[in-house]
Formats: sequence, structure tokens, C-alpha cells
Amino acid sequence: SAVISQKPSRDICQRGTSLTIQCQVDSQVTMMFWYRQQPGQSLTLIATANQGSEATYESGFVIDKFPISRPNLTFSTLTVSNMSPEDSSIYLCSVTILAGGAEQYFGPGTRLTVT
Amino acid sequence: AQKVTQAQTEISVVEKEDVTLDCVYETRDTTYYLFWYKQPPSGELVFLIRRNSFDEQNEISGRYSWNFQKSTSSFNFTITASQVVDSAVYFCALNRIPGAGSYQLTFGKGTKLSVIP
Repeated sequence: SAVISQKPSRDICQRGTSLTIQCQVDSQVTMMFWYRQQPGQSLTLIATANQGSEATYESGFVIDKFPISRPNLTFSTLTVSNMSPEDSSIYLCSVTILAGGAEQYFGPGTRLTVT
Repeated sequence: AQKVTQAQTEISVVEKEDVTLDCVYETRDTTYYLFWYKQPPSGELVFLIRRNSFDEQNEISGRYSWNFQKSTSSFNFTITASQVVDSAVYFCALNRIPGAGSYQLTFGKGTKLSVIP
């Protein structure tokens, strides 16, 4: 498995501002992902964070709104840009270690409230 | 397209009762993985189990057991002698075998389990 930390754990932000969420893993992993969980809902994949190249976004998510970086094998950031109340969600980072199987391990999440 | 259905939105049981959480999935892949995750009120997602599509053996881990039936596309989760600490939202999920393309986990909508003391 992997130990994953996220910063911040929660934040309250004003409409129109941006927030960058950090994800740090204690070991090198192959894949890193960012998910969104809206209140009372299931998880939806935002994008796959690719090391050294642009992230791969899922349908409905765009780079301008959710820019992602992954400078190395253990760290990634997700920025939620120009926030609106609809962006209030839990944002979760996850990783997979291919050698160990396909399971994804999740960080503790960042609980974002936009006012 | 892949789809996971958890028909039970919320379940309440009294402590020490057994409870089964249902999961039905759809996929065109012949090989895939199935998962269960637990999300307690604190919010983190805890990995519980992974099953390969080619391994239909049931699995038991303490009070937890999983029944995988490929013929009915179901992967049900039973908690025996439930405890208050089992109260959480449980998600069933589906993924392709690594190397088969997208690594996207397809999640069900989750079942909220409340265990009443």
C-alpha cells in the first residue's frame, strides 16, 4: 500500500478565487489520480496526473478549470480555479501501484466549501 | 461502458445483526477487477478488498465476507455481527485490468450503513 497525505485537509474559499491542493505519497507510484465527491454523491474521476506531461482529463473536466501538475513520482497538485459554490466538494487524490495490482489507494481528501 | 449499481441507498441495523450490501455491475470486458471501499464519517476512503474477475472464490476476512458471482454480475458484501464502528458509506467499484486502457474506477453510488447500538 501507500501512505498519502493531502493539504489542506479543508478550506472555506470565496467565490472567484482559486485553491491549490497538494498530494504527497510516501513512495514512488505509477499512477496518480484526482477525484471529486460532491455532497452525498459518489466519486467522479477528474483526471489522471501524468508525470512531466499534461494531465488526462475525463469528460466534463477541463484544464483551465482544474489545472494539474505532477513534477515527480510522489507529488501532484490540483488547482480549482475561479471557484463557485458548485465546486464545494471533497477532492481526493489516489494512487495505484501496478506491481501490486489495480487497487487505488486514496488520500484523506480535501473538503472544500465555496461561499 | 461500465456501470456499478448499489440499489440500497441506506440501511440501518441493530448492533450484532448481520447485514449484506448488494453490488451489481455491468462491463463488456472479460477481465476486470472489483473492489469495496469504506468511507467513514471522517471522509477518507479505505480500501477493503479487490477481486479478479477470473477468481470466483468467496473470501472471508474476520467479520467481513464477499460473495462474487460472475453469472449474475454481483459482488455482495456481508458484515457479520455488525458493530457501531461499521457505520459508514460503502462503495463498490469496478476497474479494468492494468494495461487495458483507462484506469478509471467506476464507483457505485454507495450504501450508507448505520449500526444502532
